[in-house]
Amino acid sequence: GDSVTQMEGPVTLSEEAFLTINCTYTATGYPSLFWYVQYPGEGLQLLLKATKADDKGSNKGFEATYRKETTSFHLEKGSVQVSDSAVYFCALSGSYGGSQGNLIFGKGTKLSVKP
Amino acid sequence: GAVVSQHPSRVICKSGTSVKIECRSLDFQATTMFWYRQFPKQSLMLMATSNEGSKATYEQGVEKDKFLINHASLTLSTLTVTSAHPEDSSFYICSARRIRLAGGYEQYFGPGTRLTVT
Repeated sequence: GDSVTQMEGPVTLSEEAFLTINCTYTATGYPSLFWYVQYPGEGLQLLLKATKADDKGSNKGFEATYRKETTSFHLEKGSVQVSDSAVYFCALSGSYGGSQGNLIFGKGTKLSVKP
Repeated sequence: GAVVSQHPSRVICKSGTSVKIECRSLDFQATTMFWYRQFPKQSLMLMATSNEGSKATYEQGVEKDKFLINHASLTLSTLTVTSAHPEDSSFYICSARRIRLAGGYEQYFGPGTRLTVT
């Protein structure tokens, strides 16, 4: 079945460092891909998404490009801030719309940014 | 943006009792809601899909008699953990699906409910 694999954390960076969190997926068909962020004590929020190959999702300085050839959707940010400290989840939505549109999540990567 | 609430945010109960968790979509109607369980340092696991006016669809390995789901209206789904045991202690998250005008779906997540069974 469909699955998502993302790099294990925790990841600790200094403020203004470059961030990459790797995410690869296995799916039949053409899934939509997402990055969700979970700040401490809060629920998940959609950070960005891409619905087809070569699409780039971006938000709040974060970017990820849907690479079908490498089945990847790596999250990047050029200069992280302390406020970016959170857990980041890569997810995909059923390839054929999944009749319910439910999401399949990676295990999450905890990011800690130090001042 | 769309808002989904959960109540309670935290609950502690004794083993053998039942606990009800509510999930509400505050500013949109949701014919479909999802219930997830999140274990420490692990991903979210889809437990069941809740459809308004019909029976929930449970994922493999989830006991439907233990985790009762009722989607009574277009803005409310409830998850009842019956005869709770310490191993049911977890973080339960709901999401509500909204149909986009441009087509397709968007999921909005609640803030989660921390259940501790003593």
